[in-house]
Amino acid sequence: ETGVTQTPRHLVMGMTNKKSLKCEQHLGHNAMYWYKQSAKKPLELMFVYSLEERVENNSVPSRFSPECPNSSHLFLHLHTLQPEDSALYLCASSQAPGQGEKNYGYTFGSGTRLTVV
Amino acid sequence: RKEVEQDPGPFNVPEGATVAFNCTYSNSASQSFFWYRQDCRKEPKLLMSVYSSGNEDGRFTAQLNRASQYISLLIRDSKLSDSATYLCVVNPGGGYGGATNKLIFGTGTLLAVQP
Repeated sequence: ETGVTQTPRHLVMGMTNKKSLKCEQHLGHNAMYWYKQSAKKPLELMFVYSLEERVENNSVPSRFSPECPNSSHLFLHLHTLQPEDSALYLCASSQAPGQGEKNYGYTFGSGTRLTVV
Repeated sequence: RKEVEQDPGPFNVPEGATVAFNCTYSNSASQSFFWYRQDCRKEPKLLMSVYSSGNEDGRFTAQLNRASQYISLLIRDSKLSDSATYLCVVNPGGGYGGATNKLIFGTGTLLAVQP
């Protein structure tokens, strides 16, 4: 496998369910991210992991819980979600450049389209 | 003021037309800039990076104006396959990326190329 893979592609869950989204990157990158994309809104950064350490949490509700067991894997654990959490959840990875190095941006996974009923 | 601002469009243009998108950013310390393309119900994909001297790739030209804090994307000889949402993306961290390479995305500009 190459690039960034996300599973599942689609998920429908009830408000009392617990589920997890999985992301795996095969690019040797040192940073991974979760973004949320809702209709008519820009991508919203949720979490940033750098070298497996969570370095940013953008005031995301505690019903979203990230986990990064190693530099290639990222999970987003979901529990007691609300209907307004229905969105496309995108995982991305990048090689954060050092001083003077070129920035090649992100590679995204294909996303998980989540519907909360 | 939004960190990254774009005209949402839609831009409806005939095949063969030249179309230009502009984007403004609020953080004057930003150093890295990108244009991403997102097709309907798909993930964003990097179209091109934008650096101080600008960037050209075939029919696509991206330019950066630091004094006015805006970035532009020019598409010449539009094709039907260019129809997509174009996202302006900025790293506001200063320097080349910073430790986390956090990127801020605009809402995107929708382009529809008509036959």
